Amino acid sequence: GQQVMQIPQYQHVQEGEDFTTYCNSSTTLSNIQWYKQRPGGHPVFLIQLVKSGEVKKQKRLTFQFGEAKKNSSLHITATQTTDVGTYFCAGRTGANNLFFGTGTRLTVIP
Amino acid sequence: IAGITQAPTSQILAAGRRMTLRCTQDMRHNAMYWYRQDLGLGLRLIHYSNTAGTTGKGEVPDGYSVSRANTDDFPLTLASAVPSQTSVYFCASSAGRGEQAFFGQGTRLTVV
Repeated sequence: GQQVMQIPQYQHVQEGEDFTTYCNSSTTLSNIQWYKQRPGGHPVFLIQLVKSGEVKKQKRLTFQFGEAKKNSSLHITATQTTDVGTYFCAGRTGANNLFFGTGTRLTVIP
Repeated sequence: IAGITQAPTSQILAAGRRMTLRCTQDMRHNAMYWYRQDLGLGLRLIHYSNTAGTTGKGEVPDGYSVSRANTDDFPLTLASAVPSQTSVYFCASSAGRGEQAFFGQGTRLTVV
């Protein structure tokens, strides 16, 4: 079955440092979505990438979809304490449902 | 307030008991989903419904059943709860299959 792997599982950074999480699929994805879940909260949609090689930015967040549409990354520049949470990627193949990655839990040390 | 509502927020349940987790959305979304979230395993799809009147099995459907009698409601039933079903359950909806998902607040279920 389809698998979406996400690394690292945990990341601790000093406030102001950069952070990157990576998402890899065993199959070609039709699109990929990213979600953020604050501690004790529910996942909230951040963005969707559809095109091969697509790059999108949201303030300090940069999202990238690989050329082969099998991998994606989320990069946060100069982390802040408000960035704390778990970041999930979710990939979709064809007309199938979304498969979520295992998530990366980010801790930002003030 | 538009969105997706889950009930109860939390529940402690004796093993062997039957339990229904409720989920209601008022966004007129076609697709609805149930996920369970366990530490280190991310969000795993239990069941889904692409439109009212239809349902499908996700990655981990065993021990769970769903129904979709109308657009708004998508209840999840545990026929006979077991401790391995202790988890946080999230209901979600999207306008169409695989589109941006909106999540409920979650139900924390403990089976003892």
